[in-house]
Amino acid sequence: KNQVEQSPQSLIILEGKNCTLQCNYTVSPFSNLRWYKQDTGRGPVSLTIMTFSENTKSNGRYTATLDADTKQSSLHITASQLSDSASYICVVTRVNLNDYKLSFGAGTTVTVRA
Amino acid sequence: GAGVSQTPSNKVTEKGKYVELRCDPISGHTALYWYRQSLGQGPEFLIYFQGTGAADDSGLPNDRFFAVRPEGSVSTLKIQRTERGDSAVYLCASSLGLAGAGGDTQYFGPGTRLTVL
Repeated sequence: KNQVEQSPQSLIILEGKNCTLQCNYTVSPFSNLRWYKQDTGRGPVSLTIMTFSENTKSNGRYTATLDADTKQSSLHITASQLSDSASYICVVTRVNLNDYKLSFGAGTTVTVRA
Repeated sequence: GAGVSQTPSNKVTEKGKYVELRCDPISGHTALYWYRQSLGQGPEFLIYFQGTGAADDSGLPNDRFFAVRPEGSVSTLKIQRTERGDSAVYLCASSLGLAGAGGDTQYFGPGTRLTVL
């Protein structure tokens, strides 16, 4: 069973609108959570990284939130642009002593239409 | 500066053949990772190198898969007796390796799309 669940699986929004993507995880013990953006045919690119003590992190029009108690994160895209069309992947790092393991969500595919 | 590069970008092969996929990490990155990504899925971990040694190969699906990094830089993922189920995008990533696998930001290459007919 995947330890990182993302929703929705896909969504379509109009240019200029906002949207929010969800990530729920069961990974433990938790080290950090990253959101990656993956354009079609390209490798993922890191957008944000948050550790246990951080609740929110922004990168331009992207704002990520983290609730480590409920093990939930969200990625909010403000004033979407056509270039935001991509897959957004939530990645949670588990740490046990010095051993790190990454758990990837399946991603949310965002399509921005003019 | 140059990012992670992977060659070839596309590889089509026949069932039962042997293939090699190459990854050139960012210069100075000691950690290198291989992932496999199927359509509509997130990347699936295969193997992690710290320097020349495979620190964690627990993600390799079976003994047909093997990876090397002889000089601690370029890595080659080797797949023997390919099967149709091996068709996927194979992603390579590298990181500074200061904090172990996943402890620091990984930079991904564009991937190699492998199609086994």
